[in-house]
Amino acid sequence: DQQVKQNSPSLSVQEGRISILNCDYTNSMFDYFLWYKKYPAEGPTFLISISSIKDKNEDGRFTVFLNKSAKHLSLHIVPSQPGDSAVYFCAATGKGGSEKLVFGKGTKLTVNP
Amino acid sequence: DTGVSQDPRHKITKRGQNVTFRCDPISEHNRLYWYRQTLGQGPEFLTYFQNEAQLEKSRLLSDRFSAERPKGSFSTLEIQRTEQGDSAMYLCASSLRSPLGGSVETQYFGPGTRLLVL
Repeated sequence: DQQVKQNSPSLSVQEGRISILNCDYTNSMFDYFLWYKKYPAEGPTFLISISSIKDKNEDGRFTVFLNKSAKHLSLHIVPSQPGDSAVYFCAATGKGGSEKLVFGKGTKLTVNP
Repeated sequence: DTGVSQDPRHKITKRGQNVTFRCDPISEHNRLYWYRQTLGQGPEFLTYFQNEAQLEKSRLLSDRFSAERPKGSFSTLEIQRTEQGDSAMYLCASSLRSPLGGSVETQYFGPGTRLLVL
């Protein structure tokens, strides 16, 4: 049973445009949601997180939006750059953010020059 | 500032052999996690330690798998009698749990150990 779902395996955008990566979850006990970026042959790198009590968190070019009623979150990257090309994982955790991460399957983002 | 390191980076073994992986966390981090990632999937939780105590193990962790974190520093993950289904990327992550709690503890991942069982 997939508790965190990323339904788009891939996304392709033009440099300078907005990238929107989506994530849905089923477990209402999740407290925090995180986005990680992964390049080939490297471990995941933390990007940004959001608490379940908030609906938006912004860090530079990255903004995460959370819609609790819809159990949906999205990561916006503006403007997209070729170096953003990677696999993006949505992850969730419960109990005040101090437990294991539950990951989605990832979305491969390609930013074309 | 060194990040999480894992050794070896790659391991090829024959079915039935035992393998051991090592993870060195970020030095001040008290929590250490092991995850496994197979092709096309996200990382899946295996087990985690707070200091030297193993606090949770996933049902994915069969009795052929054992993990240790002696003295609360580095950790080892051993797989006995490897099977072809054990082929995966094994990821280690560490984090600092605040005694106050109340905020997300960011997990920092190592580069992983890629295991291939022939």
